Amino acid sequence: AQTVTQSQPEMSVQEAETVTLSCTYDTSESDYYLFWYKQPPSRQMILVIRQEAYKQQNATENRFSVNFQKAAKSFSLKISDSQLGDAAMYFCAYRRRTQGGSEKLVFGKGTKLTVNP
Amino acid sequence: GAVVSQHPSRVICKSGTSVKIECRSLDFQATTMFWYRQFPKQSLMLMATSNEGSKATYEQGVEKDKFLINHASLTLSTLTVTSAHPEDSSFYICSAPPALKNYGYTFGSGTRLTVV
Repeated sequence: AQTVTQSQPEMSVQEAETVTLSCTYDTSESDYYLFWYKQPPSRQMILVIRQEAYKQQNATENRFSVNFQKAAKSFSLKISDSQLGDAAMYFCAYRRRTQGGSEKLVFGKGTKLTVNP
Repeated sequence: GAVVSQHPSRVICKSGTSVKIECRSLDFQATTMFWYRQFPKQSLMLMATSNEGSKATYEQGVEKDKFLINHASLTLSTLTVTSAHPEDSSFYICSAPPALKNYGYTFGSGTRLTVV
């Protein structure tokens, strides 16, 4: 069964500093997609970054980047130059195929990020 | 980009009544819609998957008769909580899969249901 593990329930970072959120996953598939979603206090789920497993190059979106280690099944998120608006719950997600051929997201338990001014 | 509009954002209902939550895809056709439940400070739990023109697929442990899902058109999926009880109080979120595989899923803004 595919599972997603976020081992850090809470993290904090000083404004303008860098923080890394951890995520590991378990899968037997060779081709899949991984995502990081942000959920601010408004509770709107916002896509932060996505990674295709067949691409060796780590995805980057402005201040957000990932360290994707396929063999280790690790997918960590690095936030550089942290801003107050980055404070939120961050969820790592894996897109898995079901037996019927459809796909759905499996989420980790989340990491609450606090940004200190 | 793709937008999913979810209504209402908040609803309070009395025990025993039913509540309907709507999710509309505004600028694309969503043949599939996922429905999640989220308890405070917890992750999203997939409840069911609705498919346009066919029966919804429920996750293990989710009561089909309590959480009625209908996907009447390519742009509208609804979740009806029937005979609501206080334990049904929660945050419900819908999500549509991307049109292109390498894109992320689009989420509605969520509905906070309180049953009193």
